[in-house]
Amino acid sequence: QVQLQESGPGLVKPSQTLSLTCTVSGGSITSGDSFWSWIRQSAGKGLEWIGRIYADGSTTYTPSLKSRVTISLDTSKNQFSLKVNSVTAADTAVYFCARDKSLLGWFDTWGQGSLVTVSS
Amino acid sequence: DIQMTQSPSTLSASVGDRVTITCRASQSINTWLAWYQQKPGKAPKLLISRASSLESGVPSRFSAYGSGTEFTLTISSLQPDDFATYYCQQYDSYSPLTFGGGTKVEIK
Repeated sequence: QVQLQESGPGLVKPSQTLSLTCTVSGGSITSGDSFWSWIRQSAGKGLEWIGRIYADGSTTYTPSLKSRVTISLDTSKNQFSLKVNSVTAADTAVYFCARDKSLLGWFDTWGQGSLVTVSS
Repeated sequence: DIQMTQSPSTLSASVGDRVTITCRASQSINTWLAWYQQKPGKAPKLLISRASSLESGVPSRFSAYGSGTEFTLTISSLQPDDFATYYCQQYDSYSPLTFGGGTKVEIK
């Protein structure tokens, strides 16, 4: 059974880069049978899909964040990562990593979430 | 982007009640819709995909219906474990994935 676990700093200063990692256990991120996504949830904007990566490293991002976001794979550690640069208070949210095994766009497995606060 | 609008935003009901949540898409999404249940401090849990396909292990009191722009999630007899927030999500292949604003089902 695949499990996902987010990790990273809980506090980031404005204008800096938010970095989170999702560790996948019970399955391989390079198997090619899933998309791996980042989703965030804030009080102001509800659930917001950020983007996803596939086993070959190809990525898709939501247009509103595309200029500030990078998702990447670390196959040696079976992890995928999120970087959001030039953060503001509006980026304060709980960040989830999630798996889409259908390859169609719904999320069958989620991490428990990681709260990131942007504040000086 | 495709906008997803859920109603009501809050629903007060009692154990045993039949409840229905509506989700509307700003354009047709065929049956490319999923429903999730989220409890406080937890990640969303997938209930339904393809607009009406119940995920394995989800109680049969949950059902969903719809296509195009109008979708519903029904709980036939509300149980204590069902008090939570429910979200719809569209996954039309030509648009960024988007979620509805959520419907909180609370105890009356």
